[in-house]
Amino acid sequence: GAVVSQHPSRVICKSGTSVKIECRSLDFQATTMFWYRQFPKQSLMLMATSNEGSKATYEQGVEKDKFLINHASLTLSTLTVTSAHPEDSSFYICSARGGRSNQPQHFGDGTRLSIL
Amino acid sequence: TQLLEQSPQFLSIQEGENLTVYCNSSSVFSSLQWYRQEPGEGPVLLVTVVTGGEVKKLKRLTFQFGDARKDSSLHITAAQPGDTGLYLCAGARNTGKLIFGQGTTLQVKP
Repeated sequence: GAVVSQHPSRVICKSGTSVKIECRSLDFQATTMFWYRQFPKQSLMLMATSNEGSKATYEQGVEKDKFLINHASLTLSTLTVTSAHPEDSSFYICSARGGRSNQPQHFGDGTRLSIL
Repeated sequence: TQLLEQSPQFLSIQEGENLTVYCNSSSVFSSLQWYRQEPGEGPVLLVTVVTGGEVKKLKRLTFQFGDARKDSSLHITAAQPGDTGLYLCAGARNTGKLIFGQGTTLQVKP
């Protein structure tokens, strides 16, 4: 159980394009979803926390107008990278958690975003 | 500010050797989790430790949570090439947010 599906797994697009990444909890209801960014051989950096039906909370230094997050249902959150540029190229990973804050986070397999 | 210091960041050893990875913080965590991540994939949870002084074993892996719940270690006995990967510790806040360490890239040579 506790499967999180992330789509697409890889995307390559031109500079200026907006890219949407989906994160779905397949067999549980995710009251909270998290979005992380990871650079090669580095750790995960939390970008934002989203709770179903409310606005996302962004970490310091993360542009909310650049990285739009929507958590419209208990099984789906989306991250849209607007007007992407080469410096936005990275590995983006989502995680989902159900219930209380002491429940574990379950991670998706990540999305490799490459902006040309 | 990095709240969770993980060391070493890189480790290359021969098959059969033992190793220990450390995570240290000045902050107390409600729990601490260890993950393993393969290239191009998301992290996979290995273990969660909750109680100060807790020790958990997973085959050849031994995880320990410090008495004060500020630090943790991962010990691998007789490492195998299949243990190669990125190991991440993450401390959990009461809010449920995870603070990740820098990660340890482990290479086990046959």
